[in-house]
Amino acid sequence: SQQGEEDPQALSIQEGENATMNCSYKTSINNLQWYRQNSGRGLVHLILIRSNEREKHSGRLRVTLDTSKKSSSLLITASRAADTASYFCATDEAPQIHSGGYQKVTFGIGTKLQVIP
Amino acid sequence: EAGVTQSPTHLIKTRGQQATLRCSPISGHTSVYWYQQALGLGLQFLLWYDEGEERNRGNFPPRFSGRQFPNYSSELNVNALELEDSALYLCASSPFITTGGRDEQFFGPGTRLTVL
Repeated sequence: SQQGEEDPQALSIQEGENATMNCSYKTSINNLQWYRQNSGRGLVHLILIRSNEREKHSGRLRVTLDTSKKSSSLLITASRAADTASYFCATDEAPQIHSGGYQKVTFGIGTKLQVIP
Repeated sequence: EAGVTQSPTHLIKTRGQQATLRCSPISGHTSVYWYQQALGLGLQFLLWYDEGEERNRGNFPPRFSGRQFPNYSSELNVNALELEDSALYLCASSPFITTGGRDEQFFGPGTRLTVL
């Protein structure tokens, strides 16, 4: 599997329900970010969680990070039809920074969320 | 403050031609990233420029190239276009952070390239 792999690939829920998306990765990271993309447009940054953080909230969003399991989850509570979009996690890998080499950010293939009114 | 801008919005080319895509980062951002998003796939990292230099490139053939200008805007060139190059090309910018990893990337709306 690839770095930053989201699960499920697609999710369909009723408005008002909660949506949970998961992301797994392979290497040590500095931070993990979640982005949202509306129908083939640019990505919008949602939330960033650093490797020394375990949970972060932003409005109806809750992100958790388990570095021991190399996984993260994004929870959207009380979903709305306007939340319909693709959601991507992006991992910022750690080791290369200290070598002065490149810093690698890797995006997963995303979870397509459909919220039915 | 203006966000990341990309031009053109759509580009239609035929196989074998060359395509040039342009990106203007947010003012003050020195890093520019290019990604390819083919239909139904995630973002594939193409190139990263900072301070006019190519810092890293993804697993793409040499016919994908680019440059960053002194004003930090960037150009992506794709030579000898192939049908599978049809995709949404996204540009993002961020401030360059030397330690602790980068913060968020700010994305432009993308250029949709269609190769016929």
